[in-house]
Amino acid sequence: DAKTTQPTSMDCAEGRAANLPCNHSTISGNEYVYWYRQIHSQGPQYIIHGLKNNETNEMASLIITEDRKSSTLILPHATLRDTAVYYCIVGQAGTALIFGKGTTLSVSS
Amino acid sequence: DAMVIQNPRYQVTQFGKPVTLSCSQTLNHNVMYWYQQKSSQAPKLLFHYYDKDFNNEADTPDNFQSRRPNTSFCFLDIRSPGLGDAAMYLCATSAWWTGVYNYGYTFGSGTRLTVV
Repeated sequence: DAKTTQPTSMDCAEGRAANLPCNHSTISGNEYVYWYRQIHSQGPQYIIHGLKNNETNEMASLIITEDRKSSTLILPHATLRDTAVYYCIVGQAGTALIFGKGTTLSVSS
Repeated sequence: DAMVIQNPRYQVTQFGKPVTLSCSQTLNHNVMYWYQQKSSQAPKLLFHYYDKDFNNEADTPDNFQSRRPNTSFCFLDIRSPGLGDAAMYLCATSAWWTGVYNYGYTFGSGTRLTVV
């Protein structure tokens, strides 16, 4: 069973921030939140992960609520190349990742 | 650049004819995974190797087998492909040793399998 719930699709204007939500209300204390994206016909690409604290890297920011039951992936300035399926995955470090259905993000000019 | 390479990019096979897909990596990662992705669906984990230890998912059909002769290579064998096995097959790697974990998977570009 999926451990995460994401909206099926979202739209974003180019240059604006894209905020992708994810619910993971049954997350356990030692489980991480991972985000991957998959551009059409390519393999998934790792974006970011976090345990409790908010995280930022060159691609995105990850905001995790204090109770850890939900998180938001933020792409600060979306471009057309960010159009992809975004997967939010919950799992323990070192265990194989199980993908859910993901959110299709469409960025338009 | 270190990477995960899958060959071939596209594979056409006949119904019932065994087929092998290959994956190689230059990352020296000790864990390798195989995922199946059907059209408009999420990747589905088939199995993975932790070093030489094989870990099969409970719902992976017996028709699917895997071999990992060394750290760099991993193969997916489909013994008798059916029409329902047409999909993109994705190979991924990660590094996981006691106390050290590379949190990001590196995926190959996938092999798209067509069964005719």
